[in-house]
Amino acid sequence: KQEVTQIPAALSVPEGENLVLNCSFTDSAIYNLQWFRQDPGKGLTSLLLIQSSQREQTSGRLNASLDKSSGRSTLYIAASQPGDSATYLCAVVLDRGSTLGRLYFGRGTQLTVWP
Amino acid sequence: GAGVSQTPSNKVTEKGKYVELRCDPISGHTALYWYRQSLGQGPEFLIYFQGTGAADDSGLPNDRFFAVRPEGSVSTLKIQRTERGDSAVYLCASSEANTQYFGPGTRLTVL
Repeated sequence: KQEVTQIPAALSVPEGENLVLNCSFTDSAIYNLQWFRQDPGKGLTSLLLIQSSQREQTSGRLNASLDKSSGRSTLYIAASQPGDSATYLCAVVLDRGSTLGRLYFGRGTQLTVWP
Repeated sequence: GAGVSQTPSNKVTEKGKYVELRCDPISGHTALYWYRQSLGQGPEFLIYFQGTGAADDSGLPNDRFFAVRPEGSVSTLKIQRTERGDSAVYLCASSEANTQYFGPGTRLTVL
């Protein structure tokens, strides 16, 4: 069974700091890995998707890296802003020969960025 | 519509009652997923449809839970004899390729 762990569980930082959120997974036979953002009372918004053959993806101030063999991914947030405050979830799809399949989620990192 | 929609947004029911939760996926998406998220936890997979058929229902916790997608678009998650432990946010997602697009969820509270 795939287990996804996220560290830290919560993070509170002042505006402007560069952040690192960590994700690890037990089964390295993944098809892809996604980072999501969840705001209170809202659904999930996909931030970055990394295919198993890729090492990293970037979108604006966000950069996600993937080390498939060691079962780890890292989300970097540069120059954090109060609007970044949310819960960040990591999820993987197992490699079953298809692009479609269930997501295995971590518990998330709750981020608070204060002005 | 532009995104995945779910109705109702909130549902309060009494223990033992039957509930139905609805999901309208993005038009044209053949894959549809249901997840359940308890407070402080990540979403947990329930069931995945490819077209009209359930491709993977291994996440359904017991036989009180059932889901259908009769025409390959809208899906309904049905919960019989609800229990207090069923209280959670039920999330629906749809997909055509790699990325799953999530709806806002239905918050179910069983009193």
